[in-house]
Amino acid sequence: AQSVTQPDIHITVSEGASLELRCNYSYGATPYLFWYVQSPGQGLQLLLKYFSGDTLVQGIKGFEAEFKRSQSSFNLRKPSVHWSDAAEYFCARGDTGTASKLTFGTGTRLQVTL
Amino acid sequence: EADIYQTPRYLVIGTGKKITLECSQTMGHDKMYWYQQDPGMELHLIHYSYGVNSTEKGDLSSESTVSRIRTEHFPLTLESARPSHTSQYLCASRGWENTEAFFGQGTRLTVV
Repeated sequence: AQSVTQPDIHITVSEGASLELRCNYSYGATPYLFWYVQSPGQGLQLLLKYFSGDTLVQGIKGFEAEFKRSQSSFNLRKPSVHWSDAAEYFCARGDTGTASKLTFGTGTRLQVTL
Repeated sequence: EADIYQTPRYLVIGTGKKITLECSQTMGHDKMYWYQQDPGMELHLIHYSYGVNSTEKGDLSSESTVSRIRTEHFPLTLESARPSHTSQYLCASRGWENTEAFFGQGTRLTVV
């Protein structure tokens, strides 16, 4: 089964510091990859997505992610974190085919210190 | 702004009661999904549908059932709620496979 791995369960950064959240996916055909953010008690909001083309994708709220096929990675980055970025971040892979299921990683909880 | 809605947002119910969690989307998406998520934990796919009259079990076994009689509506039913069903339930929909999934706000269910 195709899988997504987020190695970091919990990350704490200081406000203004840079951020990188790791995501690795299982090898397969060109994947559809996503990063979602979830605030407490809320649904998931899409930050950015990769389907093909330029391997560096820009998203909302100043986030970006880089697709690296050789490393099977799709890490999320932000140059300067704001306190409002504290949330749960999920990496996901989209299956192809009729159902087109999304497979999620276990999530990374980001805490921002002032 | 995503056009996918879940009701109720919060539900506290007694053991043994029958409940239905509603999910509706106005985007005309064929694919719809139900995920179960315990607080601070990962999402587990429990049901999905790729069109009217199609329903499939997800990766996590669930005692709930779903139906898809209309494109826009994908309700989830628990015939007899138990405390072990306490969780957050997230509904999502998706158009083509090269597009993202849109999520509702979720229903937080507590069975007492």
